[in-house]
Amino acid sequence: AQSVTQLDSQVPVFEEAPVELRCNYSSSVSVYLFWYVQYPNQGLQLLLKYLSGSTLVKGINGFEAEFNKSQTSFHLRKPSVHISDTAEYFCAVISGAGSYQLTFGKGTKLSVIP
Amino acid sequence: DSGVTQTPKHLITATGQRVTLRCSPRSGDLSVYWYQQSLDQGLQFLIQYYNGEERAKGNILERFSAQQFPDLHSELNLSSLELGDSALYFCASSRRDGGAVGQFFGPGTRLTVL
Repeated sequence: AQSVTQLDSQVPVFEEAPVELRCNYSSSVSVYLFWYVQYPNQGLQLLLKYLSGSTLVKGINGFEAEFNKSQTSFHLRKPSVHISDTAEYFCAVISGAGSYQLTFGKGTKLSVIP
Repeated sequence: DSGVTQTPKHLITATGQRVTLRCSPRSGDLSVYWYQQSLDQGLQFLIQYYNGEERAKGNILERFSAQQFPDLHSELNLSSLELGDSALYFCASSRRDGGAVGQFFGPGTRLTVL
């Protein structure tokens, strides 16, 4: 069974500073990886996904993530954050072995400080 | 706006009662997924339907059931409600069966059991 670990539950960062949100996964088979964002009192919005190919994937709102198979990681980065990036971010995985559901990490709350 | 709609937005009920949550997927999406988000358990997959048939089951209690209708909308039925069922319930949809292309989430139904 797959699992997802988000190493930081809360990350405060100053506006215009870079940020990295860490995600590690465990799975014995090939995986598809996702980052979702949840703004206060809203549903989840897909930021980006890795299915195959280039290990660096770019998403919406200036976010990008790098898939590292040897370290089983899929960290999310943004070079310069904005106040509007304050939200909770979820890393998720679908196993390629005929599994259809998303397995989510516990989430990381990003707080951007003006 | 993801194109996935959920009703009602809020639901307040008493222990022992039964409620029905409704979801309409994005136009053209055949798969519907239900997730529960609670403070202690995080985001957990409940069940998936694809074109009217149950496809995958996760941590869904026996008191909960779901179905997908010919027009592809889905309903999640929760019965004999307990205080611990209070949570945010999300519906998501995807084009195909596996969801690897990304699942698009509705705004959620917040259930409060008193």
